[in-house]
Amino acid sequence: DAGVIQSPRHEVTEMGQEVTLRCKPISGHDYLFWYRQTMMRGLELLIYFNNNVPIDDSGMPEDRFSAKMPNASFSTLKIQPSEPRDSAVYFCASSLAVGPRETQYFGPGTRLLVL
Amino acid sequence: QQPVQSPQAVILREGEDAVINCSSSKALYSVHWYRQKHGEAPVFLMILLKGGEQKGHDKISASFNEKKQQSSLYLTASQLSYSGTYFCGTEVAAGGTSYGKLTFGQGTILTVHP
Repeated sequence: DAGVIQSPRHEVTEMGQEVTLRCKPISGHDYLFWYRQTMMRGLELLIYFNNNVPIDDSGMPEDRFSAKMPNASFSTLKIQPSEPRDSAVYFCASSLAVGPRETQYFGPGTRLLVL
Repeated sequence: QQPVQSPQAVILREGEDAVINCSSSKALYSVHWYRQKHGEAPVFLMILLKGGEQKGHDKISASFNEKKQQSSLYLTASQLSYSGTYFCGTEVAAGGTSYGKLTFGQGTILTVHP
């Protein structure tokens, strides 16, 4: 079975440009998580969805960030306008459910560099 | 709050043992351990639930002391393939309900040399 799929794998853009990151969760998984990883802040949860509905977006840094999940097999994380401090690796993860025994499976990540 | 991991880094020779600790200031519902190799995604190792249970996976095991809000990961007879950064992800207890929201520690870098 395919794991979590993310695209693009690498993105280089200039400050002020719009960036869209994409994620396809594992089929049948009801939960989707977006994380950001930097050296300074580690692995941070940005937002997560249950059955395409955002449940907790308290980790979204500011209004420049937005996330959508139009259907069960696709989610986007958009940054508009992008800034150099947004440079990080963005991971998408999915899980079958949430609960004490549920595992989150991570995608390969998108390495974003904003110049 | 982010859980605190210790040590920050460990250097081992093949065959040596290591312990990585994860501490939280809040009551925990569960602790998840992941390993991440450079440039790759975190890979799940194991989940521990409150109740002081222990788990094992090959020569990697872990324990969870809910009274102390601490978990420890034990790597026995380390192999080169164990090298990577180990993260604990904690879920705070919220009225007995799990919401799946994990907060990750800053990571422990483990390097195993031949």
